[in-house]
Amino acid sequence: DAKTTQPPSMDCAEGRAANLPCNHSTISGNEYVYWYRQIHSQGPQYIIHGLKNNETNEMASLIITEDRKSSTLILPHATLRDTAVYYCIVRLPSSSNTGKLIFGQGTTLQVKP
Amino acid sequence: SQTIHQWPATLVQPVGSPLSLECTVEGTSNPNLYWYRQAAGRGLQLLFYSVGIGQISSEVPQNLSASRPQDRQFILSSKKLLLSDSGFYLCAWSPDAWNEQFFGPGTRLTVL
Repeated sequence: DAKTTQPPSMDCAEGRAANLPCNHSTISGNEYVYWYRQIHSQGPQYIIHGLKNNETNEMASLIITEDRKSSTLILPHATLRDTAVYYCIVRLPSSSNTGKLIFGQGTTLQVKP
Repeated sequence: SQTIHQWPATLVQPVGSPLSLECTVEGTSNPNLYWYRQAAGRGLQLLFYSVGIGQISSEVPQNLSASRPQDRQFILSSKKLLLSDSGFYLCAWSPDAWNEQFFGPGTRLTVL
């Protein structure tokens, strides 16, 4: 099973870009990288996912290295409401029929005014 | 649009008492359903998942059970609660195995 490694915490100034790294060196060729975030006392919220190519949506951008061993989630203009725990997740190959997600400890992003 | 409901929002129960948490999804059919638990200061742990009515898979041995009596209803139960069952319980759904999961508002359970 591919595991992920994230820094436990990061700070970011309001209005600046927040770059959250994730290492997944044992990822296999058919595994996707997913990002979720959890604002305090709420359920997790899906942000973005990708396989090989960089992805962008209205919330964030996902940059995946060419060897796929790491990725970076970019919040282009962080706001105070982006303060949350951010989870990088690699979907397990055996989850092809179930969609199981395995959450790690995540990165606590603190956006400061 | 699809919505997911969980109740109750908060619950305080004595050790040894039974438990029933309910999760319902609206606006979709035959979803995959999931129960997660988040203990204080820790990450989310997948407890159960279901790909259809009456189909339940357990991820970890524990004091809890799950049932899916209807297509869009997922219930988490216990006959006798333990102190270690305290936590934040989250239900999630996805349209299939390949799409993202959508989480409910959660139930915060305190066992005393």
